[in-house]
Amino acid sequence: AQTVTQSQPEMSVQEAETVTLSCTYDTSENNYYLFWYKQPPSRQMILVIRQEAYKQQNATENRFSVNFQKAAKSFSLKISDSQLGDTAMYFCAFMSNSKLTFGKGITLSVRP
Amino acid sequence: DAGITQSPRHKVTETGTPVTLRCHQTENHRYMYWYRQDPGHGLRLIHYSYGVKDTDKGEVSDGYSVSRSKTEDFLLTLESATSSQTSVYFCATQTPGNTIYFGEGSWLTVV
Repeated sequence: AQTVTQSQPEMSVQEAETVTLSCTYDTSENNYYLFWYKQPPSRQMILVIRQEAYKQQNATENRFSVNFQKAAKSFSLKISDSQLGDTAMYFCAFMSNSKLTFGKGITLSVRP
Repeated sequence: DAGITQSPRHKVTETGTPVTLRCHQTENHRYMYWYRQDPGHGLRLIHYSYGVKDTDKGEVSDGYSVSRSKTEDFLLTLESATSSQTSVYFCATQTPGNTIYFGEGSWLTVV
């Protein structure tokens, strides 16, 4: 079975600074997808970024980028120029065979 | 955005009563999912569907059943609600490009 670990329950960052959220996973699969989702206080699940395991290039979406280390089974999210609206819970997720497994999430607070 | 609508969005029900949550999608996606979210557990898969009348269990399926008679609708039923089923329930669909999008959630309280 696949597992996703987010070992940091909470993080805090100053507005305009950069923060990195960690995620590791365990799988024997070779073909899979990795995601980061943002969940603001409204509880809506918002897709932040997606990475295909067969692609070596790290995905980027504006201020969000990932550091995907396939051999180490690591998938961290970097948020640059943090904004107050980035305050939310962030979930790392792994998908193979159309089944998505989540980590327990990390609460990120952006300080003004 | 995958055009996902969940209903009801909020419900309070009594222990022992049946409850059905509905998920409706407009994008004709083949795969649909039901998750529950509880503090300290993240999101956990209850059931999923890979086509009309094709469903399978997730990791927390006890006490739940599902049905999918049309591509666009995926129903989650709590046959006899218990307080442990108080949770936020999310429906999701998978695009052909293997991205999963979520509905806005349904808050269920069992008293």
